[in-house]
Amino acid sequence: TQLLEQSPQFLSIQEGENLTVYCNSSSVFSSLQWYRQEPGEGPVLLVTVVTGGEVKKLKRLTFQFGDARKDSSLHITAAQPGDTGLYLCAGVSSGYSTLTFGKGTMLLVSP
Amino acid sequence: DTAVSQTPKYLVTQMGNDKSIKCEQNLGHDTMYWYKQDSKKFLKIMFSYNNKELIINETVPNRFSPKSPDKAHLNLHINSLELGDSAVYFCASSQDLGTETGYTFGSGTRLTVV
Repeated sequence: TQLLEQSPQFLSIQEGENLTVYCNSSSVFSSLQWYRQEPGEGPVLLVTVVTGGEVKKLKRLTFQFGDARKDSSLHITAAQPGDTGLYLCAGVSSGYSTLTFGKGTMLLVSP
Repeated sequence: DTAVSQTPKYLVTQMGNDKSIKCEQNLGHDTMYWYKQDSKKFLKIMFSYNNKELIINETVPNRFSPKSPDKAHLNLHINSLELGDSAVYFCASSQDLGTETGYTFGSGTRLTVV
């Protein structure tokens, strides 16, 4: 069974702070994706990382894929209230054909 | 708008009833999915269809039956609803396995069984 552990489960910060969310597994993933889900909506893809050690930036969001392709991190610089939401990592490992999701990190950014 | 659309958005029904949720995508994707999100926000795969063929059926009770009349539609029928079926159900689609392009999700159907 492929299992993705996310930490922290919940994060409440003030606008302007920086934060990092982690996604870890004992399985190797061919690719790993990050989604953001807002209340009443489905998850929306933010980024896909494919290569071990890869770093991708999306404005104030920086995503990193671990060298061994077993873990990933999401760093947000100068968080804004609009960043509030549930952040989900998801991946497909060898032998599986569908995305497995982590349990998510709920981020609340207060003005 | 190109999207994955599912109906209804909300569904409240009594135990023992049978209900259906419809899903349509106009993205030209060849793979569609049903996910269940529980009260703790955990998303779990239920079914996966590729070109109208069932390819994944995770440990889901046989009261749940997906039907794919064509590549663009994947409906979910649930018989004899139970309290534990209450959850948000998401339809999604992808091109092939979506390992690089990701999944596109619908906005969910909140099912409440009373």
